[in-house]
Amino acid sequence: AQSVTQPDIHITVSEGASLELRCNYSYGATPYLFWYVQSPGQGLQLLLKYFSGDTLVQGIKGFEAEFKRSQSSFNLRKPSVHWSDAAEYFCAVGPNYGGATNKLIFGTGTLLAVQP
Amino acid sequence: ETGVTQTPRHLVMGMTNKKSLKCEQHLGHNAMYWYKQSAKKPLELMFVYNFKEQTENNSVPSRFSPECPNSSHLFLHLHTLQPEDSALYLCASSQGAGENQPQHFGDGTRLSIL
Repeated sequence: AQSVTQPDIHITVSEGASLELRCNYSYGATPYLFWYVQSPGQGLQLLLKYFSGDTLVQGIKGFEAEFKRSQSSFNLRKPSVHWSDAAEYFCAVGPNYGGATNKLIFGTGTLLAVQP
Repeated sequence: ETGVTQTPRHLVMGMTNKKSLKCEQHLGHNAMYWYKQSAKKPLELMFVYNFKEQTENNSVPSRFSPECPNSSHLFLHLHTLQPEDSALYLCASSQGAGENQPQHFGDGTRLSIL
């Protein structure tokens, strides 16, 4: 069965420091991969997605993620964190079998706190 | 992002009440979704509609009844809910129901069952 693991429930970084949020997935083939961010009291906003091709993808707000097939990982990174990045981050996996069923599987999220 | 609007933002109801959640998308999308977000649990997909037709019911109890009158509107009718149904209910939409279509989310309805 497909699954998504975000090992870090809560992370605290200092403003200006670099950030890496981990995401591992379990899937028989290369899935579609997404990162979403949720600010308090709001819905989820798409940060970036990976479908195929270049394994390093750029997203909005200065985020990037790298797909590593050998490690079944899709970690999210940002070189310098801003206080406004404090939010909860969700990794999601979508099936890639040529079907028409958009059933995303989400991780449990990583809550990011940013210290001044 | 205001492309997907959900009302109300907050709802408190008793277990015997009947209420409805509303979702409207202004993105010209054809697929719409309901999710349940509970504390410390992954988002749970509840229902998927594509061109107004329900294509997915993820074993949701019958006390949740979805309705999709057109591609822009999605409702979730609630009746005889249980305390464990308290959660944030998120609506999403996508251009199509294909697996590579990014989903756009509303801000959710925070539901509390007394």
